[in-house]
Amino acid sequence: QQQVKQSPQSLIVQKGGISIINCAYENTAFDYFPWYQQFPGKGPALLIAIRPDVSEKKEGRFTISFNKSAKQFSLHIMDSQPGDSATYFCAASMIWGNQFYFGTGTSLTVIP
Amino acid sequence: NAGVTQTPKFQVLKTGQSMTLQCAQDMNHEYMSWYRQDPGMGLRLIHYSVGAGITDQGEVPNGYNVSRSTTEDFPLRLLSAAPSQTSVYFCASSRTGTGGRGSYNEQFFGPGTRLTVL
Repeated sequence: QQQVKQSPQSLIVQKGGISIINCAYENTAFDYFPWYQQFPGKGPALLIAIRPDVSEKKEGRFTISFNKSAKQFSLHIMDSQPGDSATYFCAASMIWGNQFYFGTGTSLTVIP
Repeated sequence: NAGVTQTPKFQVLKTGQSMTLQCAQDMNHEYMSWYRQDPGMGLRLIHYSVGAGITDQGEVPNGYNVSRSTTEDFPLRLLSAAPSQTSVYFCASSRTGTGGRGSYNEQFFGPGTRLTVL
């Protein structure tokens, strides 16, 4: 059973547009929600993360929105650039553990 | 720091062959893990270790063995390769407890090993 559900599977956005990727979870014990970015042929790398005590976290053009009651969180990429083309994974873990549960990934393509 | 290194980058095996995927980290991280990445499946945890001498199973452990004799190394062994084990394998490491960048347990991934079993 997939602990973290991610959508869409793929996304095509024009340069300058907004990319939005959504994730949902069931386990209320999760309290750390990172997003990882993966370029072709590379390992995933941490992009941005949030804890459920805040509803939003912003780092540059990347924003996580978190809805604790709905058990959903999303990644927004503002002013999307061709260099943002990559696969994005959401994940969740519990505060006392290192075990991460990953979503199935979203392949983002930003068209110039 | 080299971070997390994996060897080999590519490997082709025949069904029934055995091999070991190597993983090493130089960040003195206690926690290490192995994932496999398959299209449409995301990253699935195979095995993990919270320190030298301690290992445990993840979501998809069947067909794989691990050991952790040192903090730095965490090899993954395929005893009898099967076509279903064709995948990209990633090793990751992190500190236990609160970690850097103001966030918990940031996982650092290696570059991956692409394995094909014929």
